Amino acid sequence: DQQVKQNSPSLSVQEGRISILNCDYTNSMFDYFLWYKKYPAEGPTFLISISSIKDKNEDGRFTVFLNKSAKHLSLHIVPSQPGDSAVYFCAFSGNTGKLIFGQGTTLQVKP
Amino acid sequence: NAGVTQTPKFQVLKTGQSMTLQCAQDMNHEYMSWYRQDPGMGLRLIHYSVGAGITDQGEVPNGYNVSRSTTEDFPLRLLSAAPSQTSVYFCASSTSGLLNEQFFGPGTRLTVL
Repeated sequence: DQQVKQNSPSLSVQEGRISILNCDYTNSMFDYFLWYKKYPAEGPTFLISISSIKDKNEDGRFTVFLNKSAKHLSLHIVPSQPGDSAVYFCAFSGNTGKLIFGQGTTLQVKP
Repeated sequence: NAGVTQTPKFQVLKTGQSMTLQCAQDMNHEYMSWYRQDPGMGLRLIHYSVGAGITDQGEVPNGYNVSRSTTEDFPLRLLSAAPSQTSVYFCASSTSGLLNEQFFGPGTRLTVL
């Protein structure tokens, strides 16, 4: 029973364009949402987060959108840069206090 | 600060062998966790600790033991390795709860033959 789904295993985008990564979830008890970025042979690093009381949070080129009614989370990267090429994981938490991670989406930004 | 360190980086075991994956952090974080990453599965929580002397099970705890005798260290023990435990293992720490930003170590790639 997958509570979190990142339906696109991979995404390829041209440098300078927008990258949009998506997550869908089923558990309405989730109240905190995060994105992590992972380079090969390294551990994940925290990117950006949003709580359930908001629908948008920005940090520089990165914006996270939360649509609670659709149970949908997205990450926008504008403009995309080759250094953004990595695996991106969404992560969710609820009343258990534990993080549930998505399967990951591999983003490739082409120069 | 070294952050979160993990040893070894790579390990090959035979079925039935036991071993301990080491994790240490120098940020005085209360919370520490162990995850495994498998292709197409994301990261799954194995065990976590909210402070020295306190541990609890995550999503996939079977076959693993943990202890937390100090704030800095959180070793993960494989009691009798099985091929299903072939994975990449990540240790993480955070200041005040699993909800907050977690700092991950570089990972240990384990192969069980």
